[in-house]
Amino acid sequence: DTEVTQTPKHLVMGMTNKKSLKCEQHMGHRAMYWYKQKAKKPPELMFVYSYEKLSINESVPSRFSPECPNSSLLNLHLHALQPEDSALYLCASSRGLAGVSGELFFGEGSRLTVL
Amino acid sequence: SQQGEEDPQALSIQEGENATMNCSYKTSINNLQWYRQNSGRGLVHLILIRSNEREKHSGRLRVTLDTSKKSSSLLITASRAADTASYFCATDLNTGFQKLVFGTGTRLLVSP
Repeated sequence: DTEVTQTPKHLVMGMTNKKSLKCEQHMGHRAMYWYKQKAKKPPELMFVYSYEKLSINESVPSRFSPECPNSSLLNLHLHALQPEDSALYLCASSRGLAGVSGELFFGEGSRLTVL
Repeated sequence: SQQGEEDPQALSIQEGENATMNCSYKTSINNLQWYRQNSGRGLVHLILIRSNEREKHSGRLRVTLDTSKKSSSLLITASRAADTASYFCATDLNTGFQKLVFGTGTRLLVSP
């Protein structure tokens, strides 16, 4: 199984809503990532989890709250978002070799629209 | 923050032609990777080249790396309509952390 599964595929939410994006992988990977991608732009790193611990937070606003409940799951909790947060949110995983990134396996993304 | 600048931003060719995309980066790296993204979908890993390698091949793909010039190129030979996608280089910054940063991307259109 070489899949990273993201749910939901599409999400529309108001600025006062609380919602979550979910990501799952069963490849035994120990590093998991959240990236944000705006239209016609490259993915931008948000968070990195290594061995279920948050190792990188790219100064992401606190209205985005990541969680790694176990080695297979990664969540992104969303609260009080702004319309400019509308984007494609991509989850990825990798084997997690210390210090050197290997190949990332990406999910298909969750397209978020904030009204 | 972005590390890689890609050139050209967009490339339009006919089937059967070769496509060359270039990536320049700013700081020392452990490795450089190329990814492909079909419109609005997830990214797919194409090839990884380590900092001590100069050239790598995978099927119709050829990647070169020049660390002295901090640049890499991706060549797709005998392109097909199915190669139409955005292509991103990504650099693993030599920071000791798992941090892969993507370049600006090249949008490739291959016409039948």
